[in-house]
Amino acid sequence: QVTLKESGPALVKPTQTLTLTCTFSGFSLSTSGMRVSWIRQPPGKALEWLARIDWDDDKFYSTSLKTRLTISKDTSKNQVVLTMTNMDPVDTATYYCARLYGSGKPYDYWGQGTLVTVSS
Amino acid sequence: SYELTQPPSVSVSPGQTARITCSGDALPKQYAYWYQQKPGQAPVLVIYKDSERPSGIPERFSGSSSGTTVTLTISGVQAEDEADYYCQSADSSGTYSVVFGGGTTLTVL
Repeated sequence: QVTLKESGPALVKPTQTLTLTCTFSGFSLSTSGMRVSWIRQPPGKALEWLARIDWDDDKFYSTSLKTRLTISKDTSKNQVVLTMTNMDPVDTATYYCARLYGSGKPYDYWGQGTLVTVSS
Repeated sequence: SYELTQPPSVSVSPGQTARITCSGDALPKQYAYWYQQKPGQAPVLVIYKDSERPSGIPERFSGSSSGTTVTLTISGVQAEDEADYYCQSADSSGTYSVVFGGGTTLTVL
């Protein structure tokens, strides 16, 4: 059974760095073709793709946010970590991690999401 | 930057057919995927590779593609289908990037 769960602070102050952890089970990120992404959704707004990390440690970032994002993995702990620097109130959103297996494939499993509010 | 365009809202009566479109220049070259999202829940995949239906998704959900537009069709809409629907695809310009449409709220009257 594949599951993913996001964890991290519910509240961060402007200019701070956000660190989110996606802990998953039911698959291994060392399996060829396995990938995990972070996707966010501001309240009442659309989904926005942020970053992806692959089984071979390839990393991809949103063009508009790449200077602020870092994605990494700890295969032994079944975790993917996203850091986002210089947080702003417009970054208030529910942050999801999601699994993708293979090329040209969809996000087939998603975490429940974690709401992060940016406020002083 | 690459964009996928969806209508903000679609309304249908129960039993009717709902069609939700998604337009994007790269859609002839990239697959589209559709997700259903109900309030307070994570998105759920309902269509992949333009027209394939995952196991467990009702047959009333179907997808099609024509040129720069893909369409999610829900035949015989039920009250439980009321949700937000998002299309997703990828940029084909060379730099890997995933794009989501702005979302369409399906209202069952």
